[in-house]
Amino acid sequence: DAKTTQPTSMDCAEGRAANLPCNHSTISGNEYVYWYRQIHSQGPQYIIHGLKNNETNEMASLIITEDRKSSTLILPHATLRDTAVYYCIRYSGAGSYQLTFGKGTKLSVIP
Amino acid sequence: GAVVSQHPSRVICKSGTSVKIECRSLDFQATTMFWYRQFPKKSLMLMATSNEGSKATYEQGVEKDKFLINHASLTLSTLTVTSAHPEDSSFYICSASQPFLAGGGEQFFGPGTRLTVL
Repeated sequence: DAKTTQPTSMDCAEGRAANLPCNHSTISGNEYVYWYRQIHSQGPQYIIHGLKNNETNEMASLIITEDRKSSTLILPHATLRDTAVYYCIRYSGAGSYQLTFGKGTKLSVIP
Repeated sequence: GAVVSQHPSRVICKSGTSVKIECRSLDFQATTMFWYRQFPKKSLMLMATSNEGSKATYEQGVEKDKFLINHASLTLSTLTVTSAHPEDSSFYICSASQPFLAGGGEQFFGPGTRLTVL
C-alpha cells in the first residue's frame, strides 16, 4: 500500500510548467515526501524530497501544504525528456529504509 | 548523484537455467541494497532488502530459494534467479541507499536488467 494518491496521467505542453499533485492525507509527522521518476525501461531517478518546508533543486520544486496532507511537484519548464512516470512516496526512514512505489502519474510532455 | 550499475542489461535464457544479475555502487559504499521487479505497465515491487554481510530480507511471496541474493561487499550485490521459468521474465532493478543522508530515503537505482526466459 503506497498510501499516496496521484492522478493516473497528465499532459503538459513543452516549455510550460508541469504541476504534479499528490495526496498523502494520512502522513505522519516523521514521514518525508519523496519524488522519483522513471523514464521508460530505465531505473527510477530521485528528484527531490521534503518534510515540511518547500524545497527546490536543479530539477524541480516541491510545494508541501501547511497541513502536509498534499504536495505538488513542479517542473518549471517541461521538456520532452521529462516524459516519464512520476512517483510520490512517503518515507519515514524507520526500520529497513524501504520505498513503496504506487502507480504514479504518467506525464506526457507534448511538443 | 551516486551511480549504480547493473550487469547484464538484457539476458535471454532457456527455461530451467540460472541467471545471475550484478548490482554495483560505483562511487559510494552501500550497506543496504534493494532488489525490485517490474512487470510491463506495472509499478516496481520490492523483492528483498540486502544488507552487506548478512542474509537478505525477502518480501512476502518472494521465494528465497528461487531468488538468491548475496551482498558480499559494500559495493556489490548479486541476484541469482535459479531454475528460471517464463513467468520469471521481468525487469529487475536494484538500488542502493545512503540512509545517513538527510531524510535517508534517497535511493540510487541501477538501469535495470531485462530478463526473458524462453
